[in-house]
Amino acid sequence: NAGVTQTPKFQVLKTGQSMTLQCAQDMNHEYMSWYRQDPGMGLRLIHYSVGAGITDQGEVPNGYNVSRSTTEDFPLRLLSAAPSQTSVYFCASSLTGGLAYNEQFFGPGTRLTVL
Amino acid sequence: DQQVKQNSPSLSVQEGRISILNCDYTNSMFDYFLWYKKYPAEGPTFLISISSIKDKNEDGRFTVFLNKSAKHLSLHIVPSQPGDSAVYFCLHHRGAGGTSYGKLTFGQGTILTVHP
Repeated sequence: NAGVTQTPKFQVLKTGQSMTLQCAQDMNHEYMSWYRQDPGMGLRLIHYSVGAGITDQGEVPNGYNVSRSTTEDFPLRLLSAAPSQTSVYFCASSLTGGLAYNEQFFGPGTRLTVL
Repeated sequence: DQQVKQNSPSLSVQEGRISILNCDYTNSMFDYFLWYKKYPAEGPTFLISISSIKDKNEDGRFTVFLNKSAKHLSLHIVPSQPGDSAVYFCLHHRGAGGTSYGKLTFGQGTILTVHP
């Protein structure tokens, strides 16, 4: 199993450009989510999905779109990048969101810089 | 809304000694609290969890204590090893249904450095 993979690892954008951060998992997990990590802060939830075709907003959704057409993939789209979106982005998946805790597996992260 | 706070940004410990990482929270329901560890250039990885109905959970060198009256969570690492040097995040997992389904709330993290 590759686990959770993210591409690209690094990206530099200019203000106003758009791009998609890719996330894939091969563990047949229902639950997938996107977080961003900023200096001095913990990871904050951007969007999450409890299964194919179902997405919802997290704590900091503005400026980001997601879709979940398959169980395996959960791309994150930046429609018009802003310097405030400079961050490290992590994708995570777990078997379910669950009443009991299900371990979430994180990808290695994408470091995004918006100039 | 649940808040999780780690008030110590860093901790330095000698190899072989105990490391104690602390966390305070604002709300507790029938949920889980967790510790994740993160090395540079890697994603966080799960370390240990505790249900809000328990006081203690132990896994090898790692023990998590939950003090519900004080709304305080701590992670003890005994003995500490240089390979334990990492950022440690305290988390809350909302397990109930509704809009908080499956959400993790992270603390700010504590950088642990274990010196040989």
